Amino acid sequence: GQQLNQSPQSMFIQEGEDVSMNCTSSSIFNTWLWYKQDPGEGPVLLIALYKAGELTSNGRLTAQFGITRKDSFLNISASIPSDVGIYFCAGQLTGANSKLTFGKGITLSVRP
Amino acid sequence: ETGVTQSPTHLIKTRGQQVTLRCSSQSGHNTVSWYQQALGQGPQFIFQYYREEENGRGNFPPRFSGLQFPNYSSELNVNALELDDSALYLCASSLAGVGKTQYFGPGTRLLVL
Repeated sequence: GQQLNQSPQSMFIQEGEDVSMNCTSSSIFNTWLWYKQDPGEGPVLLIALYKAGELTSNGRLTAQFGITRKDSFLNISASIPSDVGIYFCAGQLTGANSKLTFGKGITLSVRP
Repeated sequence: ETGVTQSPTHLIKTRGQQVTLRCSSQSGHNTVSWYQQALGQGPQFIFQYYREEENGRGNFPPRFSGLQFPNYSSELNVNALELDDSALYLCASSLAGVGKTQYFGPGTRLLVL
């Protein structure tokens, strides 16, 4: 099935650093979402974006909905060890079932 | 408020067998979606249930089927298991309607030998 494009597969940063992640799609979405998944857990919603151009923050996290509606980015500022995990972007269309289409995820490691 | 729960947490089956996975939706949520997450991949949409009926399906064969019950809980059934069915199966519940957030359970890890 379709997957959104997330790269690189892994990122390694030092505690306290900022990190940005990008997600692109060949098709348009009405909603962009960012989830974090820890080992043995299901994805947990971090930020949801509903309008092209929208910039939304949630604590140290900031995400933007691209104006073309085909991309989004997530920024984490002042990283801490508990930021370790897999970050997924997901797109959603306004349709009958509003299914989520996910990227492959980016594994973030934070060195203390 | 109770979150999404899934059972069992882990399961081992052999090729050709059948399996049933269960999901209890978050309190007040009437819509359940199922996703398959292979190792190293993002979740892939299997299908969604609303008001006890299938409400959209991803690119999965008919041997993947489901049910939703009047209390909004749901089952995912997979017949004639194949090795490639080994994955984490995630259930997500939400309210019906545009832009409603899907909340995921912890998943069931299925291994097919």
